[in-house]
Amino acid sequence: DGGITQSPKYLFRKEGQNVTLSCEQNLNHDAMYWYRQDPGQGLRLIYYSQIVNDFQKGDIAEGYSVSREKKESFPLTVTSAQKNPTAFYLCASSIDRQGSGGYTFGSGTRLTVV
Amino acid sequence: SQQGEEDPQALSIQEGENATMNCSYKTSINNLQWYRQNSGRGLVHLILIRSNEREKHSGRLRVTLDTSKKSSSLLITASRAADTASYFCATAPLETSGSRLTFGEGTQLTVNP
Repeated sequence: DGGITQSPKYLFRKEGQNVTLSCEQNLNHDAMYWYRQDPGQGLRLIYYSQIVNDFQKGDIAEGYSVSREKKESFPLTVTSAQKNPTAFYLCASSIDRQGSGGYTFGSGTRLTVV
Repeated sequence: SQQGEEDPQALSIQEGENATMNCSYKTSINNLQWYRQNSGRGLVHLILIRSNEREKHSGRLRVTLDTSKKSSSLLITASRAADTASYFCATAPLETSGSRLTFGEGTQLTVNP
């Protein structure tokens, strides 16, 4: 079955630690996206990539980094510079740069600072 | 800043009733999309309506778009308990260089059996 796989489902981070969230898709989609969702709120765009080896900052990129070395993979690193990282992180993909067919989402990673 | 704003923030209805959710946005769009999110899960794409369309149907879903008022509505007919979820509208900008969907804060729908 085609889809997006996010791992892990739950992640705990200590103060000052970097953590990496995995996002893999086997849909052959060109574009991939990372969103952050806080309780009771909508989604805010962190980073997006429309093609391999290229990515752009979204609205809340500070404290985060990404890479897009393969079409299938778009990992997100939450660095120690992100002061309030506790949130639900969602990865998505779209078949083309225009997102004309809508986005396909993964099931999310819940990150908690301990 | 959020492009779309849903109204109401929360809606509670009985099974069998219709549910209507509204979305307003600020800038010109290429298309508007509706998504559903069950608690603690990812979003699921429901329906997309383009800026040159006024109404679209998919099963029990009916979406309208009024670009002059910059607003859209999602109607779920004959609701079921399984429709309980958060519903988000998302707008795609007019620019053709790439899509960056901007999401609203969602409407929490509760359908009571």
